[in-house]
Amino acid sequence: GQQVMQIPQYQHVQEGEDFTTYCNSSTTLSNIQWYKQRPGGHPVFLIQLVKSGEVKKQKRLTFQFGEAKKNSSLHITATQTTDVGTYFCAGPRQGGKLIFGQGTELSVKP
Amino acid sequence: EADIYQTPRYLVIGTGKKITLECSQTMGHDKMYWYQQDPGMELHLIHYSYGVNSTEKGDLSSESTVSRIRTEHFPLTLESARPSHTSQYLCASSVDRNTGELFFGEGSRLTVL
Repeated sequence: GQQVMQIPQYQHVQEGEDFTTYCNSSTTLSNIQWYKQRPGGHPVFLIQLVKSGEVKKQKRLTFQFGEAKKNSSLHITATQTTDVGTYFCAGPRQGGKLIFGQGTELSVKP
Repeated sequence: EADIYQTPRYLVIGTGKKITLECSQTMGHDKMYWYQQDPGMELHLIHYSYGVNSTEKGDLSSESTVSRIRTEHFPLTLESARPSHTSQYLCASSVDRNTGELFFGEGSRLTVL
């Protein structure tokens, strides 16, 4: 069945360093979504990418959707302690259900 | 902030008890979901609904059941709780059938002793 794989599973960085998480789908996606879940919290929607090769920025966060619409990345420039959490990508399946990747847990050392 | 509410936030209960996790949203969303998430792990879809009187099982097999009698309400029930049901249960809703941006509740953390 359709799978969404995310790497790495964990990433520990020093505050100020950059961070990137990668998402790969076994099938072409109509769109991809990114969510952030703070420790002890619930997932919060960050962004949705729809177009092939699309790049969107939110302050220090840069989201990219691959040309083949099968992969995506989230890059954070100069991480801060407020960036701590788990970042999930999610792709739609038939019927509008979302399949979530395994998530990348980011920890930031001050 | 999305208007989707879950109760209880935390529940510790003994084996064999019947429990109902409540989920309500005031946004008029047709689509609602239940995800199960163990600590530090991915989200697994266990139930979803496209609207009133519509319920479907998700990707992860679950002994729980759901109902959708009203648009705003999507409760999840476990008839006989077991320790293997210990987990966090997240309710979500979306307005758009196709794009599916999800709004999550704060979750219900269930511990079965």
